[in-house]
Amino acid sequence: GAGVSQSPSNKVTEKGKDVELRCDPISGHTALYWYRQSLGQGLEFLIYFQGNSAPDKSGLPSDRFSAERTGGSVSTLTIQRTQQEDSAVYLCASSLDGNYGYTFGSGTRLTVV
Amino acid sequence: QKEVEQNSGPLSVPEGAIASLNCTYSDRVSQSFFWYRQYSGKSPELIMSIYSNGDKEDGRFTAQLNKASQYVSLLIRDSQPSDSATYLCAVKGNDYKLSFGAGTTVTVRA
Repeated sequence: GAGVSQSPSNKVTEKGKDVELRCDPISGHTALYWYRQSLGQGLEFLIYFQGNSAPDKSGLPSDRFSAERTGGSVSTLTIQRTQQEDSAVYLCASSLDGNYGYTFGSGTRLTVV
Repeated sequence: QKEVEQNSGPLSVPEGAIASLNCTYSDRVSQSFFWYRQYSGKSPELIMSIYSNGDKEDGRFTAQLNKASQYVSLLIRDSQPSDSATYLCAVKGNDYKLSFGAGTTVTVRA
């Protein structure tokens, strides 16, 4: 696609429920990143994919968080048993090969009530 | 762990003035440097990239890099109200990810 597409744009969920966030990167971009931005805070790195592989998952906050990427394209970030502290904007970005600046999607605003 | 520090804001400048944003980083092997602009409620947008020492100009924006001092800056000339946003400094080393500073919020007064 022309840009990085994320869905849903907004998600309100009850504490304890699971949520799935989707990212569709720019066509041909092999590198894909997930970041989290809490209100008034900086960008927190979560996970990076090169192709379908995730070399480093150390940024994931807990084992409730997982991510996968299939076909070298679409990625999903899953949060199980959501907690209120998970409320944030989840940003996906892609890069041609990881050597250049990223292009961000418009984000998913997650609110856990 | 790459630490990226930005000058604390908010920064308020009158319309037409120069806004100067500073960023320092801790990892000496950092190779690529980026400035992102983030409007309130929006996602970051890449506005400048710089890879070698010196100045790089793009329209009203100038990025300056000094690797010896581990310092990168962004100048916004002839500031406009539309430049009011948070500016994020990002640094990339030999690995795969960008480390971001906390951002400096700029307000341009009409």
